[in-house]
Amino acid sequence: ETGVTQTPRHLVMGMTNKKSLKCEQHLGHNAMYWYKQSAKKPLELMFVYNFKEQTENNSVPSRFSPECPNSSHLFLHLHTLQPEDSALYLCASSQGASGGNEQFFGPGTRLTVL
Amino acid sequence: SQQGEEDPQALSIQEGENATMNCSYKTSINNLQWYRQNSGRGLVHLILIRSNEREKHSGRLRVTLDTSKKSSSLLITASRAADTASYFCAQGLEYGNKLVFGAGTILRVKS
Repeated sequence: ETGVTQTPRHLVMGMTNKKSLKCEQHLGHNAMYWYKQSAKKPLELMFVYNFKEQTENNSVPSRFSPECPNSSHLFLHLHTLQPEDSALYLCASSQGASGGNEQFFGPGTRLTVL
Repeated sequence: SQQGEEDPQALSIQEGENATMNCSYKTSINNLQWYRQNSGRGLVHLILIRSNEREKHSGRLRVTLDTSKKSSSLLITASRAADTASYFCAQGLEYGNKLVFGAGTILRVKS
């Protein structure tokens, strides 16, 4: 295991539902990331948090709302999603968020939007 | 777009053969990293090569970096069925706080 956990591992939701993804890292890192991985597309960076502060929002639609209460926890709140949002959502952490540090990934949440 | 490209998109080899994957990128980098992903799982970091390094080894992995050509290659020697996975290169940017991933190479090692 990488020291990064994600829950739930699988999630099926309707377009009107509200759900949250959770990520926790046990590595003492201070940077955390959300990525989206869709079939046949490159890994897309969504958000970056460094010391609980959001430092990057990669033009993500407002139906995705991140929350980082402390350096160990990261949430992704989901509401009124679209079927094209179905994907594998990956959380990662690193020691610092500059110069491309090695990132440690969680196992991902497989999201299906009906 | 900062996104790099990987070549080939897919590679199928016999167990025991070597596998070579290539990555080209567009930006100024601090380092170049390679990650592995088993089907539907998270990515696992394999190796990092800094912009002032030309070659690096780790076990059966050999990575080269040519900053003049903005390219890198990953060589897996004596491949095993367990090496079957997707492999991604990631640019550690010189400026900013993120990695930029390529589209990946799907490697299948047949036993």
